[in-house]
Amino acid sequence: EVDLVESGGGLVQPGGTLRLSCRVSGFSFSRFPMAWVRQAPGKGLEWVAKIKQDGSERDLLESVKGRFSISRDNAKNSLYLEMNRLTAEDTGVYYCVREPVGWFYFDYWGRGTLVTVSS
Amino acid sequence: DIQMTQFPSSLSASVGDLVTITCRPSESVSTYLNWYQQSPGKAPKLLIYAASNLQSGVSSRFTGSRSGTDFILTISSLQPEDFATYYCQQSYSTPRTFGGGTRVEMK
Repeated sequence: EVDLVESGGGLVQPGGTLRLSCRVSGFSFSRFPMAWVRQAPGKGLEWVAKIKQDGSERDLLESVKGRFSISRDNAKNSLYLEMNRLTAEDTGVYYCVREPVGWFYFDYWGRGTLVTVSS
Repeated sequence: DIQMTQFPSSLSASVGDLVTITCRPSESVSTYLNWYQQSPGKAPKLLIYAASNLQSGVSSRFTGSRSGTDFILTISSLQPEDFATYYCQQSYSTPRTFGGGTRVEMK
């Protein structure tokens, strides 16, 4: 059974740093592109970043470029999101998602991890 | 960036009703258009991909279609578990963008 479990969220002060992790199981992680999607409290969904199967290509939402970075460790079946210089606008639930090659929809989602940026 | 306009933003309906939600991309996305359902406190769930393909395990009362430049999600006979928020999303280009959501509430 496919499972994605995020961790690393929490309360952080503006300007602070957090590293989110996503541990996956139930599928061959190295064969799939992966992404992060976030949702501010009471708001809609916003794509944040994606990474190719081998990590050779990465793309980020314009508003997080230079602050966030996405990476993966295929040997550990894990996806990461390093978040620096956090602002209140980064507050929300962050979901790890699988993005199959071809139509690039998000077919599996983790349960999410909450990031709160506040002083 | 491709903007996704979704309407209505909310609707009230009863069990058994037929419900339609529309999504209009700001530019062509071919058929790289997907639909998700999100229940309160839960992660989104993929319903339809590539405009009209039903995701495995999803009820056949959900259908996706296209009318000109608009994409439509239809729920044929609303069930209690269908009261949720629905999002469209384009996967044609990055940044992947979502519609603003349609909240389906009980009348």
